[in-house]
Amino acid sequence: ETGVTQTPRHLVMGMTNKKSLKCEQHLGHNAMYWYKQSAKKPLELMFVYSLEERVENNSVPSRFSPECPNSSHLFLHLHTLQPEDSALYLCASSPTWGSGNTEAFFGQGTRLTVV
Amino acid sequence: DAKTTQPPSMDCAEGRAANLPCNHSTISGNEYVYWYRQIHSQGPQYIIHGLKNNETNEMASLIITEDRKSSTLILPHATLRDTAVYYCIVRVGTDKLIFGTGTRLQVFP
Repeated sequence: ETGVTQTPRHLVMGMTNKKSLKCEQHLGHNAMYWYKQSAKKPLELMFVYSLEERVENNSVPSRFSPECPNSSHLFLHLHTLQPEDSALYLCASSPTWGSGNTEAFFGQGTRLTVV
Repeated sequence: DAKTTQPPSMDCAEGRAANLPCNHSTISGNEYVYWYRQIHSQGPQYIIHGLKNNETNEMASLIITEDRKSSTLILPHATLRDTAVYYCIVRVGTDKLIFGTGTRLQVFP
């Protein structure tokens, strides 16, 4: 148990659906992250938020839309996804952003299947 | 971020020490070395990190060479539950963790 909670744990959605992934942490951390892990590939950083401001957006398609309403919650809104977007989506948080000396804690992930 | 090189896989007998190497020959003076592991289909778990001194915690020890171009993660008494993919990451400044392909450690009875 890392203190980072992701819901749902599993999600199956059609290509025309709209769904949202939720991440929550009550560790008092100021930075939150979304990662994507496709089968047999390394984790890919998607978005970073620091103090509710987006500070990194790594060329992610617009069908993925992040939202950080406060420092404890992070959402990933999904719409018109493709089957190749099926993956494990991981959320992480860390105490600060910018020091290089702070560990990040990961949630258990949401296993997304697009049909 | 500096690149890291790790062997793709390693085996270790249960109860023995597992020594996982990592090369980071282009590391800069202010870049930290981090180790994470990922047990099948779970989120990565933080293990340990260091800058230039050796570090030890309840999970593992981190040995960094004097020139900082390589490091070794040591699990002193490996158990079957330590079977996982282990990632060595270096980073500076921003807190982006850029994962490579890691080392798949298989602990056998």
